[in-house]
Amino acid sequence: AQSVTQLGSHVSVSEGALVLLRCNYSSSVPPYLFWYVQYPNQGLQLLLKYTSAATLVKGINGFEAEFKKSETSFHLTKPSAHMSDAAEYFCAVSNTGFQKLVFGTGTRLLVSP
Amino acid sequence: DGGITQSPKYLFRKEGQNVTLSCEQNLNHDAMYWYRQDPGQGLRLIYYSQIVNDFQKGDIAEGYSVSREKKESFPLTVTSAQKNPTAFYLCASTASREDYGYTFGSGTRLTVV
Repeated sequence: AQSVTQLGSHVSVSEGALVLLRCNYSSSVPPYLFWYVQYPNQGLQLLLKYTSAATLVKGINGFEAEFKKSETSFHLTKPSAHMSDAAEYFCAVSNTGFQKLVFGTGTRLLVSP
Repeated sequence: DGGITQSPKYLFRKEGQNVTLSCEQNLNHDAMYWYRQDPGQGLRLIYYSQIVNDFQKGDIAEGYSVSREKKESFPLTVTSAQKNPTAFYLCASTASREDYGYTFGSGTRLTVV
């Protein structure tokens, strides 16, 4: 079965600093990979997705992620953090066959002034 | 605009009572899902449905029940058999494509006292 591992339950950065949230996947076939963001007491919103068209994927709010097959990784980055980026971020992988996303345990991003 | 509506946003119930959470979508999506979210535990799948009048148990189905009588609706009942029902519940839907990703509702926070 496919799975994703998110390293670090909490990541703290200063405003203006680089954001790096890590996600590694396990899959025997090329996966579909997703990053979602969740603000407090809200649902999850799709940030970006990898569907094999391009290894560098750009998403909303200035985020991007790079698919690296050799490292089985799909890390999320943003060059300069903003206070409004403080939220919880989830990486997810799609199973083969009918889609059933498998989510990581999430990483809470804290942004300090 | 199309989307998923979960109601109510907040729900309080006494211990031992059954309670039903509503989830409606107007996206014409085939599949719908219910997740439970607890602090530090990510998202756990309760039930999902790929077509009308059919649904499957997820990882933590005990103490929950669902129905899928209409494509647009997928209500979740939290029964008195659920040992620890206080949580944040998220409904999601998707088209039947592996690369599509999920659309989430805004969630229902259930508190049992």
